[in-house]
Amino acid sequence: EAQVTQNPRYLITVTGKKLTVTCSQNMNHEYMSWYRQDPGLGLRQIYYSMNVEVTDKGDVPEGYKVSRKEKRNFPLILESPSPNQTSLYFCASRKNREMNTEAFFGQGTRLTVV
Amino acid sequence: AQSVSQHNHHVILSEAASLELGCNYSYGGTVNLFWYVQYPGQHLQLLLKYFSGDPLVKGIKGFEAEFIKSKFSFNLRKPSVQWSDTAEYFCAVSHMDTGRRALTFGSGTRLQVQP
Repeated sequence: EAQVTQNPRYLITVTGKKLTVTCSQNMNHEYMSWYRQDPGLGLRQIYYSMNVEVTDKGDVPEGYKVSRKEKRNFPLILESPSPNQTSLYFCASRKNREMNTEAFFGQGTRLTVV
Repeated sequence: AQSVSQHNHHVILSEAASLELGCNYSYGGTVNLFWYVQYPGQHLQLLLKYFSGDPLVKGIKGFEAEFIKSKFSFNLRKPSVQWSDTAEYFCAVSHMDTGRRALTFGSGTRLQVQP
């Protein structure tokens, strides 16, 4: 089954404690993204990757890091989480960078930073 | 600023009522348009998409949307909603943004269908 898998689904952490949210896709997609969803703001892109070892900033990259060492994995790293990073996070993948490609989303990770 | 606007933030309807959710975007040039649905506690799923051709596109579960280029709009419609349509609906636009090929989302419309 084609899918995007995120872990964990729920995470509560304390300010400053480094964390990683994993994302894996099994569709051999080139393009992967991370979004955060906040009430009234929709989804905003944090980082994206057009292929292995190619990553770049989205609309709200501050406080986040990513890596793309393998095609299927695109982890999101919060080196020093802060309360304003409390949000719902979605990983998404697309076949490639072409505009007419559908995005597939993971189940989401609800992060609370206290 | 370039954006995607969904003017209805919260819509409450009774079952069998007709639905129209507005979506406007401000990007010039070529765009591709999507509607995604997010059921409570779940991830986003594609409802329908427009790339080219017939501006009236049909999606899953009886939804349709019309692309009106002159109005920069891509409104979502359904003739008769059901309780199971209760969800949040997001309009999204894929566009050329300095090569990022970004997918930009509207702020979402929460639809509540009352039995």
